[in-house]
Amino acid sequence: SQKIEQNSEALNIQEGKTATLTCNYTNYSPAYLQWYRQDPGRGPVFLLLIRENEKEKRKERLKVTFDTTLKQSLFHITASQPADSATYLCALGYSTLTFGKGTMLLVSP
Amino acid sequence: GAVVSQHPSWVICKSGTSVKIECRSLDFQATTMFWYRQFPKQSLMLMATSNEGSKATYEQGVEKDKFLINHASLTLSTLTVTSAHPEDSSFYICSARRGSGGRDTQYFGPGTRLTVL
Repeated sequence: SQKIEQNSEALNIQEGKTATLTCNYTNYSPAYLQWYRQDPGRGPVFLLLIRENEKEKRKERLKVTFDTTLKQSLFHITASQPADSATYLCALGYSTLTFGKGTMLLVSP
Repeated sequence: GAVVSQHPSWVICKSGTSVKIECRSLDFQATTMFWYRQFPKQSLMLMATSNEGSKATYEQGVEKDKFLINHASLTLSTLTVTSAHPEDSSFYICSARRGSGGRDTQYFGPGTRLTVL
């Protein structure tokens, strides 16, 4: 069955550093991979979508890579800020989404 | 643009009662709406997909007679949890998609916290 793995342990970093979150998947060959931000008690907010033929996508301080050989996506936040603290979800697919459990990011001042 | 609302944001009910949750796309017409459920520290799990004017498609393991979905208009879908039990307590999130053919991303609502006593 399809499986998506995101680090269940929270990632703690200092303000100004680059946060890197990982999404690994098995038994799946998604044409699209998406990243969402979820704050406690709130619905997910779409951040970035990357296609299988794209290696990298950027949006302001965000960068996503997609390695279909390794079956892995990396999500980077540069110059992190305390306001970036949230849970970040990886989702595979486009029409129907399969989500990972997410990784909590804590950025301390 | 692309705002999705849910009502109520939270609800507490007694076991055996039914609860209706509304999902509205406020500034666009949603041909497809999705309903998800999320337990604490778990991923969002897709429950069903609904297209306006047709019956919802339920994911495996989701009881269609217990979770009634109605998508009567292009801006409104409702999820009714019938005869709710404590194990139905969860965070229910809807999403809406513009356009057809899967050419647009999903926009999520803020979620509804259901607690069944």
